[in-house]
Amino acid sequence: EAEVAQSPRYKITEKSQAVAFWCDPISGHATLYWYRQILGQGPELLVQFQDESVVDDSQLPKDRFSAERLKGVDSTLKIQPAELGDSAMYLCASSLAGTGDYEQYFGPGTRLTVT
Amino acid sequence: QQQVKQSPQSLIVQKGGIPIINCAYENTAFDYFPWYQQFPGKGPALLIAIRPDVSEKKEGRFTISFNKSAKQFSLHIMDSQPGDSATYFCAANGNTGNQFYFGTGTSLTVIP
Repeated sequence: EAEVAQSPRYKITEKSQAVAFWCDPISGHATLYWYRQILGQGPELLVQFQDESVVDDSQLPKDRFSAERLKGVDSTLKIQPAELGDSAMYLCASSLAGTGDYEQYFGPGTRLTVT
Repeated sequence: QQQVKQSPQSLIVQKGGIPIINCAYENTAFDYFPWYQQFPGKGPALLIAIRPDVSEKKEGRFTISFNKSAKQFSLHIMDSQPGDSATYFCAANGNTGNQFYFGTGTSLTVIP
């Protein structure tokens, strides 16, 4: 069964350091999402890609966060510099967009702890 | 502004009981309503989803009831089992931008 892959699964970093997360969506899924999930809350969208283009990054803190999906396949989310408040689960998801099929599939997430 | 409001925040039922989780939305452009199940340390997994052209959908022990006029939908888990203990999220998606909006989650505990 096809799955969304994410790495690393866990990351501990010190405040002010840079950190990067990687996501490989399900093959053929044109839409890729990055979410942040704080413990006890629902996922909140950070950025949404359609192929290699950003569709929505209105909730992305652009002073420290960046995301790219250069070839329209896998994606990287970067935080520089990390702050204590960035500690959360970072989830990647993908879906077939533009086909009327809205099913969204999540990866296992990256648990970030900023010390 | 919370696009999807979910309740209750937590729920405890005995094995075999029927927990019910409720969600409400305001945006009438939403046309896809999924439910996700999340275990600790894992990403959410799609459980069941409904579109507003039907009032109910069943998949195994999971049922979604949808009330378009009230802009509400709910998840029912029949014959609940301890293995159903997890956090459940409702979500909504509309035609514009394909963005998903999530509820705040319900932590379900099924007591053996």
